Amino acid sequence: NAGVTQTPKFRVLKTGQSMTLLCAQDMNHEYMYWYRQDPGMGLRLIHYSVGEGTTAKGEVPDGYNVSRLKKQNFLLGLESAAPSQTSVYFCASRPSGGSYEQYFGPGTRLTVT
Amino acid sequence: DAKTTQPTSMDCAEGRAANLPCNHSTISGNEYVYWYRQIHSQGPQYIIHGLKNNETNEMASLIITEDRKSSTLILPHATLRDTAVYYCIVRVHSGGYQKVTFGIGTKLQVIP
Repeated sequence: NAGVTQTPKFRVLKTGQSMTLLCAQDMNHEYMYWYRQDPGMGLRLIHYSVGEGTTAKGEVPDGYNVSRLKKQNFLLGLESAAPSQTSVYFCASRPSGGSYEQYFGPGTRLTVT
Repeated sequence: DAKTTQPTSMDCAEGRAANLPCNHSTISGNEYVYWYRQIHSQGPQYIIHGLKNNETNEMASLIITEDRKSSTLILPHATLRDTAVYYCIVRVHSGGYQKVTFGIGTKLQVIP
């Protein structure tokens, strides 16, 4: 069981470039989440998904898009990167049901210059 | 969701118990208390959760006061590997979106 994996681990983008972050989980979890973490800000939820084919906005969704075409994958896209999107991005998943025991990936460190 | 308050930082001697407090004075009756931790540069890791009874697992114990307005996470024998930021959050058990705040947490430094 690999758990939750994220690709890539590091990336440097120039302003205006686009990229996609991939999150994959092999635990057959229904729920998947994308967070960003900035110094002094804690974790903030960007988008989430309650199942294959469904996505919804979280706390800070602007500038990001997501897709969940397959249950095991949750993609986070930046169409036109901005320096304000420099952050560490974490993906998480959890099974359906009420418990909030989330499993987090190792993170992607993104720098936008 | 109820807001939580935690100390910014704490130190603990290696081998001693680490007691991390969390205040959640506005918690409602159906909100659970969850604890996660984040070791430097890694993703957060679930530790334990509870509603009103004390809970224990292989990692830690969770003590919730009778009025549920505060709780304490106990690491019985802290090791250097327990140095991390510890987050206390509260939320209900239901599906769908809930704004859950992983705040700044408590930075626990275990000292040799």
